[in-house]
Order: sequence, then C-alpha cells, then structure tokens
Amino acid sequence: AQKITQTQPGMFVQEKEAVTLDCTYDTSDQSYGLFWYKQPSSGEMIFLIYQGSYDEQNATEGRYSLNFQKARKSANLVISASQLGDSAMYFCAMREAYNNNDMRFGAGTRLTVKP
Amino acid sequence: NAGVTQTPKFQVLKTGQSMTLQCAQDMNHNSMYWYRQDPGMGLRLIYYSASEGTTDKGEVPNGYNVSRLNKREFSLRLESAAPSQTSVYFCASSFDRASNYGYTFGSGTRLTVV
Repeated sequence: AQKITQTQPGMFVQEKEAVTLDCTYDTSDQSYGLFWYKQPSSGEMIFLIYQGSYDEQNATEGRYSLNFQKARKSANLVISASQLGDSAMYFCAMREAYNNNDMRFGAGTRLTVKP
Repeated sequence: NAGVTQTPKFQVLKTGQSMTLQCAQDMNHNSMYWYRQDPGMGLRLIYYSASEGTTDKGEVPNGYNVSRLNKREFSLRLESAAPSQTSVYFCASSFDRASNYGYTFGSGTRLTVV
C-alpha cells in the first residue's frame, strides 16, 4: 500500500515567491520520522529537512520549513523566497520506527522556478 | 570529502548478463542501502545492511543479491539482468537505521538492460 502520497506531479512558482509542496502519509505507528529530499537535474539526492513525530515545533532549515499537521497526517514542505536553483524534483519520505526502519519515498513533485 | 561513491555511473547490459554495482562510503556509517528509482515511483528499497555482517531484503529484492564486504563497502549484484531492471540505482548510507539526519546518497548508476 502506498504510504507516502505527493499529489502534485509538477509545480510552478515565480522567483522570490514562496511555494508549498504537499505530502500526506499513512501509518499506524506512533513513532516515525518524515524527510524531504531534493533531486536536481544532475541526479544526486540531497537531504533537506527532518521532522520527528513527537516534535511539537515545525522543523526549519534556512529557507525550508516543514508544515507538520499530525492529525491530518500531512508534512508539507514550504520553500520561502524561491530561487532559480530550487528547480528540481522533491521527494517526501517516511521512516516508521517499528517497521524495520525502512525509509519509503513518495513519487515526487517537480518544481520549476520561473524568472 | 567523498561521502558515498558509486561505480559505474552508466552501464548498458544485454539481457542475461551479470554485473556488480559497487558502493563505498567514508563517513564511518553503520547502515547502507540500495534503492532503485523508476519514473513516477520514487525510490524503492532493494536491500539494506543495518551493520557490518548483516543484510536484509527491502521492498523489491527479486533478481538482486548484495554483499556487505566490510563497513565501508556494499555491493549490489544482478546475476541475470532483465529489461525490467532498467533503472537508476542509488546507494545510500546513514549512521544507523534510526538516524534523524537522513541518508547520504551516492550520485547514482544509470543502468539500461536491452
């Protein structure tokens, strides 16, 4: 069963504007971690941000923040002040603490930043 | 600072041929992973090694074998390649399986089976 859902195959944003990339997940575990990765056209996977299921504060890393709504099982990535270099594929991932700790990935969202 | 190094970067195989994808990390990580990436499906775990001397199946292990040669190296072998194994393969590592710091990925191997 699909555990990570990213409903936006592609998104466009104007340079310097903020953008939200959606991610919903499905788990019955109480302890889990949520991750976002960036994959530029060069192909490498770059870890961006982490949110633990017990963390009360939303995670932030520079221009990236994670809008964590536990009851809705959503973990949206917010990128503020978009830059041309933010154009890439973005993947949401989840690791359940009691399910062998396998990290499962969503299908990804391709973000294009327009000048 | 090499991080995770994968070789080769590109490979074309004929159906039935075998090959081994190599992966090495220099971060003293305990856990290593092999994923495949297919269009529209994100990354799927093939095999993982939680620590030196152990390996376990992931979500899509059929047609693959792995070897954790030592703490640094984790190889993926295709014994008899099939067109369905055409994909981009990523090796990754982490301090342990419960790390909050995400995984460090290699640059990927693009494999085409004809």
